[in-house]
Amino acid sequence: EAQVTQNPRYLITVTGKKLTVTCSQNMNHEYMSWYRQDPGLGLRQIYYSMNVEVTDKGDVPEGYKVSRKEKRNFPLILESPSPNQTSLYFCASSLGRGSGANVLTFGAGSRLTVL
Amino acid sequence: AQKVTQAQTEISVVEKEDVTLDCVYETRDTTYYLFWYKQPPSGELVFLIRRNSFDEQNEISGRYSWNFQKSTSSFNFTITASQVVDSAVYFCALITGTASKLTFGTGTRLQVTL
Repeated sequence: EAQVTQNPRYLITVTGKKLTVTCSQNMNHEYMSWYRQDPGLGLRQIYYSMNVEVTDKGDVPEGYKVSRKEKRNFPLILESPSPNQTSLYFCASSLGRGSGANVLTFGAGSRLTVL
Repeated sequence: AQKVTQAQTEISVVEKEDVTLDCVYETRDTTYYLFWYKQPPSGELVFLIRRNSFDEQNEISGRYSWNFQKSTSSFNFTITASQVVDSAVYFCALITGTASKLTFGTGTRLQVTL
């Protein structure tokens, strides 16, 4: 089954304790992206990657890091989480930009709480 | 810059009523795509429809229909004879031809009751 898999789905952590949210897709997609969803703000892009070793900032990158060492994986790293990073996170992937290629497939979401 | 506005934060209807969710977008690009996604209470995002800027034909899929009007920069979504299973948050989104991200509206929460 074609899918984007995120782990963990739920996490409660404390301020300053480094964590990684993994994201993996099995569709050979070139483009991957992370979004966070907050009440009243919709979904906002954190980082994206056009291909292996190519990443760039989205609208709200502060406090996050990403890497794209393999095509299928795009982990989101919070080096020193803070309470304002409490949110619902979505990983997404697509074939790439361009006509017919940019329908994003989303993971199931990861609900993160930072105390 | 691109922007999507969903002015309706929350809508409540009784089952079998028709309901329209509004979406207004802003972009200077002539090539763009508009989307609707559904987020049921379980939290996942479900793709509903994509429409490109060169195709203004309205679309109907069962009880769902979409009205794309470039003249008013709107891409509204109508559910006919709503059902309880339609209860969800619905997001409208936009991507331009050269952009690297999908820009989302803030979402409309639809509550359908018996």
